[in-house]
Amino acid sequence: AQKVTQAQTEISVVEKEDVTLDCVYETRDTTYYLFWYKQPPSGELVFLIRRNSFDEQNEISGRYSWNFQKSTSSFNFTITASQVVDSAVYFCALRPAGGGNKLTFGTGTQLKVEL
Amino acid sequence: DGGITQSPKYLFRKEGQNVTLSCEQNLNHDAMYWYRQDPGQGLRLIYYSQIVNDFQKGDIAEGYSVSREKKESFPLTVTSAQKNPTAFYLCASTNTGTGVGSNQPQHFGDGTRLSIL
Repeated sequence: AQKVTQAQTEISVVEKEDVTLDCVYETRDTTYYLFWYKQPPSGELVFLIRRNSFDEQNEISGRYSWNFQKSTSSFNFTITASQVVDSAVYFCALRPAGGGNKLTFGTGTQLKVEL
Repeated sequence: DGGITQSPKYLFRKEGQNVTLSCEQNLNHDAMYWYRQDPGQGLRLIYYSQIVNDFQKGDIAEGYSVSREKKESFPLTVTSAQKNPTAFYLCASTNTGTGVGSNQPQHFGDGTRLSIL
């Protein structure tokens, strides 16, 4: 069985602060894929990043960075110098290789960035 | 532009009524999915389809039905048996396959908000 835990229900920060969103996962599969999605108030889910289980290299994209640590089953997401437009719900998701490509989502973290 | 179109954006259901949510994609994706999102919760899988004329139940299929007669379309019917249908419904699609194909992200529509009258 797959499980994704996002323990932070809601985070509030002031603009320009750095913020890290935590994601811990459980799986028995040796090959799997991890994803982060952003859900702005309008409702659609926007794909941010995909990480393969065999690639532990961290990634940076502009103000966004991701830290994948297989040893602790974590895939954390950091926003540097947060902006009001970053306010959204962020979901971490897990998918095993094969098996219908079904995603298991965490419960999401509501990020509020205030001026 | 390629994408996933869900309609309607808002839908109201009367007691005992079946309603159908539309999902159309022009991304030429093989697989399509329906999720339900309740406030403060993650997305839960209702049904998915990896190929035309075939679909499987997800984690919360009771009270719902689907069809996949065309590659582009995957409508979801919320039946009267679903006693708590008020939620946000999201449709998604992706390419399938093993190896590289299986790590493709799912693309999502804008969602349909369903409420009970």
